[in-house]
Amino acid sequence: RKEVEQDPGPFNVPEGATVAFNCTYSNSASQSFFWYRQDCRKEPKLLMSVYSSGNEDGRFTAQLNRASQYISLLIRDSKLSDSATYLCVVSNTGGFKTIFGAGTRLFVKA
Amino acid sequence: SQTIHQWPATLVQPVGSPLSLECTVEGTSNPNLYWYRQAAGRGLQLLFYSVGIGQISSEVPQNLSASRPQDRQFILSSKKLLLSDSGFYLCAWRLRGTEAFFGQGTRLTVV
Repeated sequence: RKEVEQDPGPFNVPEGATVAFNCTYSNSASQSFFWYRQDCRKEPKLLMSVYSSGNEDGRFTAQLNRASQYISLLIRDSKLSDSATYLCVVSNTGGFKTIFGAGTRLFVKA
Repeated sequence: SQTIHQWPATLVQPVGSPLSLECTVEGTSNPNLYWYRQAAGRGLQLLFYSVGIGQISSEVPQNLSASRPQDRQFILSSKKLLLSDSGFYLCAWRLRGTEAFFGQGTRLTVV
């Protein structure tokens, strides 16, 4: 089993749609969680951290369920510029090992 | 502010040739350092990470090696490249409990 698994893509959605990505992790002792965004042929960049209580940043909402070892990202009112690959990231207890999921590709269409 | 430098941006190397990719971080001390590889259309594969000078953890057995000769310098090497070593190599740094920051990556093509 992979340490971090994400929904297979790609997701093709119209502008204005709401889309949700899911991610599961295998190490119950994992401590830090993030969502990154990667544009084509570019380095990944932090989209948002994920906190136990859930957190929101504009149109983006991230949630963590430690019991189910599950992370989610919700994007509301999708924009063309949201088209990218979204990577789920998990760090272990010591904070040293940082594992990325394979990514979910999102295409937002006009 | 912290910055991370990774070079070169692109590299074309013949099979069997050596490789050396360098990454340096500025503006922070004792960062955790990482090398990832991303094959075309795939996710990031963690290759090596380091929590201090001379301390290297390898995640995937392969013909690559890493070294950390200085606190903010991380080097990825190979004595003989294989075709399967082609990919997008990314260096990253982070402090414990915080997010990772990436260099701009090196696109390696082994021919």
